[in-house]
Amino acid sequence: DVKVTQSSRYLVKRTGEKVFLECVQDMDHENMFWYRQDPGLGLRLIYFSYDVKMKEKGDIPEGYSVSREKKERFSLILESASTNQTSMYLCASSGPPAGPYNEQFFGPGTRLTVL
Amino acid sequence: DAKTTQPNSMESNEEEPVHLPCNHSTISGTDYIHWYRQLPSQGPEYVIHGLTSNVNNRMASLAIAEDRKSSTLILHRATLRDAAVYYCILRDPLVNFNKFYFGSGTKLNVKP
Repeated sequence: DVKVTQSSRYLVKRTGEKVFLECVQDMDHENMFWYRQDPGLGLRLIYFSYDVKMKEKGDIPEGYSVSREKKERFSLILESASTNQTSMYLCASSGPPAGPYNEQFFGPGTRLTVL
Repeated sequence: DAKTTQPNSMESNEEEPVHLPCNHSTISGTDYIHWYRQLPSQGPEYVIHGLTSNVNNRMASLAIAEDRKSSTLILHRATLRDAAVYYCILRDPLVNFNKFYFGSGTKLNVKP
């Protein structure tokens, strides 16, 4: 069974802290993604990576950075957490594009609260 | 990117069919229509996708209008487990094959 796991389901941090959200996939997928989900706004893409050490900005990269040192692992970093980064964070992965299909597989999400 | 419009919420009775509409009047000729759903406390999961012809799989059917400006996801017999938020997404594999733009989706409530 394919799997995307995220390091924590719930996380509480203080303003100004450096926060690491980890995501691991066991499907040998090239592509990995970080989204945030907020009520009324749906899912918004923060960053994605199509290969080890490669990354591209999504629609809302400000305040975030990412790291992909190994194919199976994609980390989202909040350099200095702020209260407006309180959100649900979802990681996803997908394999090489196979025509129009390219299904994305999602992890269960990490609910981050910044106090 | 082409935008989709879906009702915020819908309600259905268990074991009855459900038709979830999606409008995408600015769809381009190379946009594929994807549907994902998000069960409570889980990440989204793939449901179905199509380009022009109607599509069926074990989870659902996708009916695409002839002018492609709208589509309908059909759950043939809703179960309580189908209560979820359903997202209709357009994706052009030639332009942004890696990017899925999720809107707010339709929250489906299934009554016993």
